[in-house]
Amino acid sequence: SQQGEEDPQALSIQEGENATMNCSYKTSINNLQWYRQNSGRGLVHLILIRSNEREKHSGRLRVTLDTSKKSSSLLITASRAADTASYFCATVAGANSKLTFGKGITLSVRP
Amino acid sequence: KAGVTQTPRYLIKTRGQQVTLSCSPISGHRSVSWYQQTPGQGLQFLFEYFSETQRNKGNFPGRFSGRQFSNSRSEMNVSTLELGDSALYLCASSPPVGTDTQYFGPGTRLTVL
Repeated sequence: SQQGEEDPQALSIQEGENATMNCSYKTSINNLQWYRQNSGRGLVHLILIRSNEREKHSGRLRVTLDTSKKSSSLLITASRAADTASYFCATVAGANSKLTFGKGITLSVRP
Repeated sequence: KAGVTQTPRYLIKTRGQQVTLSCSPISGHRSVSWYQQTPGQGLQFLFEYFSETQRNKGNFPGRFSGRQFSNSRSEMNVSTLELGDSALYLCASSPPVGTDTQYFGPGTRLTVL
């Protein structure tokens, strides 16, 4: 079953613009992670934010977490054509270490 | 360190056959998880192994099974293949402590005809 639901499902922007992706989830979590996938290949971990954190930065990435709204957002600043990929949020809850993924967002960055 | 490796990368089977997929985790990682990715169902957790023991299991039929060896390498087996088993099967490994981050392999693309 999906825990996260990303929004929008697809996003097309121009190189240099910022991309904002949102994720909502249903249950209490330990942490929320964002992954990137290029063309049906393996997933690459981008960033992890714990349930007691509100914001985290990593390079051009900024992630926020609002546990009261059960939502997170991923901001990619100054996007590049190489950022074109699918992005997934995934949650970890309880004593389980398994990742529960959302359906993903397809980001296209036009050169 | 070398990343997670999966073999084979591509596989074509027919209905009713069985298949075994292999995963070698990053050196030092003892936890290995398997996920199935399909266009319809997205990414779904299959199972997790830690120190040769299944620690978690997803909601898949008993045709899906796995194991882990003493060197942390893992295999998953699907018996009596169905068309709906066509998917990208992803393996991920995690460090022993300190993080829930998982490191994914490139996947095995299974096509069932």
